[in-house]
Amino acid sequence: GAVVSQHPSWVICKSGTSVKIECRSLDFQATTMFWYRQFPKQSLMLMATSNEGSKATYEQGVEKDKFLINHASLTLSTLTVTSAHPEDSSFYICSARDRDRGLGYTFGSGTRLTVV
Amino acid sequence: AQSVTQLDSHVSVSEGTPVLLRCNYSSSYSPSLFWYVQHPNKGLQLLLKYTSAATLVKGINGFEAEFKKSETSFHLTKPSAHMSDAAEYFCVVSESGNKLVFGAGTILRVKS
Repeated sequence: GAVVSQHPSWVICKSGTSVKIECRSLDFQATTMFWYRQFPKQSLMLMATSNEGSKATYEQGVEKDKFLINHASLTLSTLTVTSAHPEDSSFYICSARDRDRGLGYTFGSGTRLTVV
Repeated sequence: AQSVTQLDSHVSVSEGTPVLLRCNYSSSYSPSLFWYVQHPNKGLQLLLKYTSAATLVKGINGFEAEFKKSETSFHLTKPSAHMSDAAEYFCVVSESGNKLVFGAGTILRVKS
């Protein structure tokens, strides 16, 4: 079945530094990838949608310059949290859509980001 | 605009008894509906999905859900709960085959 690999699974960084999270589709081509943020005991909130080779589409209220998304190939999308602050601490999850399987969405295992 | 309402934030059942997790949706068009399960600090696993085929959808681990258009509901059920079913469950709606909208989630607790 479709597998999405997300790394790292957890990261602790100092305030003011940048952190990159990778999301890879291992056995399918992902034309579209989604990035979600999940606060403790809350649901997933879509941050942005990225299509391979084009700029990401950000949801209202999400800072484009703070959350940089790159989708340079059909199997890799990255989310970079720039100049991280403690309020950016959260659980980030990516999802990839398999263009050959219609509406199939596969989720990564998530990244727990803690900014200290 | 599409939206999802999960009617219970927490559900507690005894092992071996039925599970019912309720979900109502709002959608302008014929939606696609999903149920996902999330274990603590893990990603999401697809349980089942409805995409305008059979209204009774069977998923993994013995779960199933019935799409009822007249009630705009997509409740998740399982005849007999297992301890390993304890997790958080999300009802999700999608229109236009792209963006997913998540419900607030229901935490299922299974008592031994």
